[in-house]
Amino acid sequence: NAGVTQTPKFQVLKTGQSMTLQCAQDMNHNSMYWYRQDPGMGLRLIYYSASEGTTDKGEVPNGYNVSRLNKREFSLRLESAAPSQTSVYFCASSGMGQAKTEAFFGQGTRLTVV
Amino acid sequence: RKEVEQDPGPFNVPEGATVAFNCTYSNSASQSFFWYRQDCRKEPKLLMSVYSSGNEDGRFTAQLNRASQYISLLIRDSKLSDSATYLCVVRLSGGYNKLIFGAGTRLAVHP
Repeated sequence: NAGVTQTPKFQVLKTGQSMTLQCAQDMNHNSMYWYRQDPGMGLRLIYYSASEGTTDKGEVPNGYNVSRLNKREFSLRLESAAPSQTSVYFCASSGMGQAKTEAFFGQGTRLTVV
Repeated sequence: RKEVEQDPGPFNVPEGATVAFNCTYSNSASQSFFWYRQDCRKEPKLLMSVYSSGNEDGRFTAQLNRASQYISLLIRDSKLSDSATYLCVVRLSGGYNKLIFGAGTRLAVHP
């Protein structure tokens, strides 16, 4: 039971470097999300994809881009990393509709930008 | 104003205490509601969904008041293992399926 898998788990970047965070889910969920969590704070939505082929900005999209590659995969790209992007990044997926729509999370990526 | 607001905490309570967390949401298009639990440096996990009629799961009771746009979580007979951060989560209706998290309330249960 893999659920939601994020890679990498840890990453250190230099200011200005780029990288892509990968996320894949095996629960046949339509919706996928990227959140960031800063120390002592809640989860803030960066981007989400309600269904394959669609993506929408969340609360804090600046400095990020996303790609919903297929139903399983949703990647987050930092084109030019900044120290303000040091955070823990969580990917999540959920179903849609009135039925049970709880979100399942990956284990997180701890990113440090120096 | 934040879309989902919670008690700031932290709540420090002795074992056996009853503790209540509150949450308000601003978007009337909110459709589904949840409480998640997050342990230190771990991913959030679903504690319970919140239904219109209110629901209970063992020592945990969740209530929803749509008119006041208010959600609550009651924990009875607190255990040391209940120490965690509790996150209020709201899902918006329509095709968006957007999940919005509150900042969380930290609970510390002591012997």
